[in-house]
Amino acid sequence: QVQLVQSGTEIKKPGASVKVSCKASGYIFNGFYIHWVRQAPGQGLEWVGSINPNDGGTNIAQRFQARVSMTQAPSITTVYMEVSRLTIDDTAVFYCARVGNYYDTNGYLADAFDIWGQGTMIHVSS
Amino acid sequence: DIQMTQSPSSLSASVGDRVTITCRAPQTISTYLNWYQQKPGRAPKLLIYAASNLHSGVPSRFSGSGSETDFTLIISNLQPEDFATYYCQRIYNTVSTFGQGTKVEIK
Repeated sequence: QVQLVQSGTEIKKPGASVKVSCKASGYIFNGFYIHWVRQAPGQGLEWVGSINPNDGGTNIAQRFQARVSMTQAPSITTVYMEVSRLTIDDTAVFYCARVGNYYDTNGYLADAFDIWGQGTMIHVSS
Repeated sequence: DIQMTQSPSSLSASVGDRVTITCRAPQTISTYLNWYQQKPGRAPKLLIYAASNLHSGVPSRFSGSGSETDFTLIISNLQPEDFATYYCQRIYNTVSTFGQGTKVEIK
């Protein structure tokens, strides 16, 4: 069964850091990019960044570049996202998602987030 | 970053209705546009990829169309399980952007 399983809820104080894990199973780990998405309470989806499990290369949204890092541990098919200098506004659910590659009706390759983790809630409160 | 504009932000509809949601890109994105459904407390689910291709297992009452800058998600014959929030997404070259979402509520 293809799935992504994330680590559990975290409660942090402002200024702290948090590291969320996303364990992949049921498919070839280094064959698919993993992206991270943030969703604040009652708000929409916000793209955080992506990691290439092949080489660990990352692409992080500009607004998160100073505080977010993404790493991988291929031996345990797990990727991580660490957010530093947490603020109250970082209270959110963070999702990891796999990028599947699909051929469209014209024969072109398209990317889509086809497998999602269950989400990890990060509470930031003093 | 390309910002995707969805409309409406919410709508009320009845079971059996036909619902149309639009997504607009500020510049041409070919057909690099996906649609997702999200229910409260759950992760989003892929519905449509590459603008018009139905993902495996998704009911055929969902359809997508469009290219370049204007895209549409249509739900025909709305079912009770379709009341949810829908997001468009542009993804290209490891970068992604979501629309702000459209909440479909029961009238």
